[in-house]
Amino acid sequence: QQQVKQSPQSLIVQKGGISIINCAYENTAFDYFPWYQQFPGKGPALLIAIRPDVSEKKEGRFTISFNKSAKQFSLHIMDSQPGDSATYFCAATRDRGSTLGRLYFGRGTQLTVWP
Amino acid sequence: NAGVTQTPKFRVLKTGQSMTLLCAQDMNHEYMYWYRQDPGMGLRLIHYSVGEGTTAKGEVPDGYNVSRLKKQNFLLGLESAAPSQTSVYFCASSQGVGLNEQFFGPGTRLTVL
Repeated sequence: QQQVKQSPQSLIVQKGGISIINCAYENTAFDYFPWYQQFPGKGPALLIAIRPDVSEKKEGRFTISFNKSAKQFSLHIMDSQPGDSATYFCAATRDRGSTLGRLYFGRGTQLTVWP
Repeated sequence: NAGVTQTPKFRVLKTGQSMTLLCAQDMNHEYMYWYRQDPGMGLRLIHYSVGEGTTAKGEVPDGYNVSRLKKQNFLLGLESAAPSQTSVYFCASSQGVGLNEQFFGPGTRLTVL
């Protein structure tokens, strides 16, 4: 059973446009939601993360929107640039009270930004 | 600091052969993880370790074994490789629970013929 569902699988955006990637989860015990960015031939790296006590977190052109009641969260990339072309993974985990530190990843979204 | 390193970067095996993938981290992290990445499947956890001498099964552990004899190293073994194990393997480490960021290595591309 997939713990975190991610869509779309692939996304093509023009330079300067807004890229939006959506994720949904079922387990209400999850309380930390990171996004990882992976460039071709590299390992994933943490991009931005949010906890469910806030509805939005912004870092530069990257924003996470979080809807706790709908159990959904999304990544918005404003003014998308060709250098943003990468695979993006959403993830979820339990922080408080957990001894595992295990991340449950979505299946990834391959973003291509055309110049 | 080198962060997380993986050896080898590429490997081609024949069905039935065995091999060991080595992961090393120099950040004194307690937790280490092995993932496999396949097209359209995302990152799937194979095994993980919450400290030296401990290991546990993840989502897709069959056909793999692991060992964490030293805190800085996490080994992934394939005893009898199968074509279904063709994949890109990533090792990661983190300080501990939850909020702590997972740091990934550069990956090992394994092909089993």
